[in-house]
Amino acid sequence: EDQVTQSPEALRLQEGESSSLNCSYTVSGLRGLFWYRQDPGKGPEFLFTLYSAGEEKEKERLKATLTKKESFLHITAPKPEDSATYLCAVKLDSGGGADGLTFGKGTHLIIQP
Amino acid sequence: NAGVTQTPKFRVLKTGQSMTLLCAQDMNHEYMYWYRQDPGMGLRLIHYSVGEGTTAKGEVPDGYNVSRLKKQNFLLGLESAAPSQTSVYFCASSTGLAGPGEFFGPGTRLTVL
Repeated sequence: EDQVTQSPEALRLQEGESSSLNCSYTVSGLRGLFWYRQDPGKGPEFLFTLYSAGEEKEKERLKATLTKKESFLHITAPKPEDSATYLCAVKLDSGGGADGLTFGKGTHLIIQP
Repeated sequence: NAGVTQTPKFRVLKTGQSMTLLCAQDMNHEYMYWYRQDPGMGLRLIHYSVGEGTTAKGEVPDGYNVSRLKKQNFLLGLESAAPSQTSVYFCASSTGLAGPGEFFGPGTRLTVL
């Protein structure tokens, strides 16, 4: 069964304390791995798409990387406004159908001033 | 551009009542999706559409029906609501497999008593 597992479930950091969030996946036929940010009471906001092992993408204090079994979201010198739930999702190779994303349960990140 | 909009934002139903959730997007996207988000479960795909007049089942389709009569709109119907359908419902749209990811609406919080 295809699975997406995120760790840790929750993470509390001090402002400026860098860390990484993990997303491991056991799927057959990965077409893409996605990272989203979700603030309380809002819909997920797209951050990155990664398609192949070795690929990296950056946006401000965030950098996403991908291997054959997992992805990391590195947060460098975070600020309180980076506090949110970060979601990982995969799109599977199911023969060409646009059949949505399979999500992990998310990592709830809190950055304390 | 408004992006993806959803109506209503909140709704309370009694068991057995019916309702329709409306999703609209102004980005000319071909693909549209309905997800539900429950505590501890992550986002799960209910139904999706790859173009006007098409619909397909996702991971958790039972108890729901959908229609895509116009490209910009995707409707989710509950014919006979059950307490198990209490959830936050998100609509999303995308350009397709090679696109930058799915764009999500703000969500509808539904409570079934």
